[in-house]
Amino acid sequence: DIQMTQSPSSLSASVGDRVTITCRASQSITTYLNWYQQQPGKAPKLLIYAASSLQSGVTSRFSGSGSGTDFTLTISSLQPEDFATYYCQQSYSTPYTFGQGTKLEIK
Amino acid sequence: QVQLVESGGGLVKPGGSLRLSCAASGFTFSDYYMSWIRQAPGKGLEWVSYISGSGTTIYYADSVKGRFTISRDNAKNSLYLQMNSLRAEDTAVYYCARVTSVSHDYWGQGTLVTVSS
Repeated sequence: DIQMTQSPSSLSASVGDRVTITCRASQSITTYLNWYQQQPGKAPKLLIYAASSLQSGVTSRFSGSGSGTDFTLTISSLQPEDFATYYCQQSYSTPYTFGQGTKLEIK
Repeated sequence: QVQLVESGGGLVKPGGSLRLSCAASGFTFSDYYMSWIRQAPGKGLEWVSYISGSGTTIYYADSVKGRFTISRDNAKNSLYLQMNSLRAEDTAVYYCARVTSVSHDYWGQGTLVTVSS
């Protein structure tokens, strides 16, 4: 199975900050990497697919990059609604594994 | 608009069975693979299973293989997960999600399964 490792596991930041979350795969997954946002008590929401493509309806504050084994999710200027947990997921091969999550909290 | 609504969750004893359903609307259901993904309380996401649009291609996570069965009824726009021999570690919110070529783009609100005596 492909292991996905996110860092950091938690992060404190302020409104207006630029934030970067990283995700590393245990083997090359080319660009089969997705990012999801989950608010407490809600279902995950797709933000970025195929490493760098913005899902329809998602604000351009979010961007993704990377290929192979190393990927990043960047939030350009944090807004109050961005404080949530973020997960990466590989869709290169089954089982479709997720990272352990990064909880983004208000400083 | 795409809508996915899960049902069927509840409290079940270890070793028991439960059948989850997911009602889909707003898209051509038979055109899409569908997945079940679960989340234990306070934990991360775990992909459980997927099924092709025709139902002929199915994959399971090792953790549920031999105990869970995914199926679909395209005439009823519905996805199912039959869960047998349930264990405490199967306790989770179960989400159904639509699968695109590279991601899970729409998710239901989830249904809670609790396995406890």
